[in-house]
Amino acid sequence: DAGVIQSPRHEVTEMGQEVTLRCKPISGHDYLFWYRQTMMRGLELLIYFNNNVPIDDSGMPEDRFSAKMPNASFSTLKIQPSEPRDSAVYFCASRPGLGSNQPQHFGDGTRLSIL
Amino acid sequence: GQNIDQPTEMTATEGAIVQINCTYQTSGFNGLFWYQQHAGEAPTFLSYNVLDGLEEKGRFSSFLSRSKGYSYLLLKELQMKDSASYLCAVGDDYKLSFGAGTTVTVRA
Repeated sequence: DAGVIQSPRHEVTEMGQEVTLRCKPISGHDYLFWYRQTMMRGLELLIYFNNNVPIDDSGMPEDRFSAKMPNASFSTLKIQPSEPRDSAVYFCASRPGLGSNQPQHFGDGTRLSIL
Repeated sequence: GQNIDQPTEMTATEGAIVQINCTYQTSGFNGLFWYQQHAGEAPTFLSYNVLDGLEEKGRFSSFLSRSKGYSYLLLKELQMKDSASYLCAVGDDYKLSFGAGTTVTVRA
């Protein structure tokens, strides 16, 4: 079975450029999460969706960050304009809707470097 | 708010046992998860506790005391491949709040 698929795996770009990260959740999973991981701050939840609707975006650091989920099989996280402090590993995760015991399944992440 | 504490690092010998503690103070609680994360890889699910007590899964066990806001992950018969970061996460509604992780180094 395919897991959560993220692209690109690595991205290096100059500050000021727009960055778009992509995620395909596991088929049938109702919840999709975007996380950012850094050495200093650990794994932080940025935003999550339920049935393609954003539920909680309180972790989105600022207006430069935006996320969309146009359908059940695709989500994007966009940073515009990007800054060096956005350098991190960005993970997407998904989980089924039923049961509090359902774990989140993580994609392999996008390692983002802003120069 | 969420406050989740776990030790930063632990070192143990191959074949030994290591216990990773996690204490939490959170505004909501739907269960406690443990994840393993090897360097450069994604976190992978290890265990889930929602009721007090011990859950055993092969070499790994996890314990929860809700009244004390405390959990631990027990790794037995350590193997070199167990060298990784172990993340404690508290579930609240459908969200997870993660601790900073404990890096376990297994030495021969």
